[in-house]
Amino acid sequence: EDQVTQSPEALRLQEGESSSLNCSYTVSGLRGLFWYRQDPGKGPEFLFTLYSAGEEKEKERLKATLTKKESFLHITAPKPEDSATYLCAAGGATNKLIFGTGTLLAVQP
Amino acid sequence: DVKVTQSSRYLVKRTGEKVFLECVQDMDHENMFWYRQDPGLGLRLIYFSYDVKMKEKGDIPEGYSVSREKKERFSLILESASTNQTSMYLCASSIGPVATNEKLFFGSGTQLSVL
Repeated sequence: EDQVTQSPEALRLQEGESSSLNCSYTVSGLRGLFWYRQDPGKGPEFLFTLYSAGEEKEKERLKATLTKKESFLHITAPKPEDSATYLCAAGGATNKLIFGTGTLLAVQP
Repeated sequence: DVKVTQSSRYLVKRTGEKVFLECVQDMDHENMFWYRQDPGLGLRLIYFSYDVKMKEKGDIPEGYSVSREKKERFSLILESASTNQTSMYLCASSIGPVATNEKLFFGSGTQLSVL
């Protein structure tokens, strides 16, 4: 069964304290691994798509990487405005996205 | 920018009522989706549509139906609302097949409470 698991469930960082969020997936025939950001009371907002192991993408303080079993979202020197829930999703042979339950990130000044 | 608009931000309904959730997108996207989001369960796909008047069941279609009479509008219908349908409902659209390279554009969501 296709599955996406995110860890940790919640993470509290001090401003400037770098860390990583994990997304482990078991999806048949991975076609795309997606990262979204969701602010309270809003819908998810697209961040990145990764297609193959070894691929990396960056946007400001965020960098997403992909291996054959997991993806990481690295946050370098985070700021309070990076506080949000980060969602990971995998698309496979069924042509449906499987979402993880998210990591709630809080960055304190 | 693509805009996906959901008609209600908050909705309170009674058990047994028929409930309509409306979603409109303004970028001529072919594909539209309805998800529900519950704490600890993530986003789960209810129904999706790849074309006008076309619909396909997602992972949790029981108790729901959908309507897509026009390309820009996708409605979710709760035939007889029940308390276990209390949830955040999210509409999304995309240009092409979502499991490949097409990102989803989400609306702001409708928080539905069924009493």
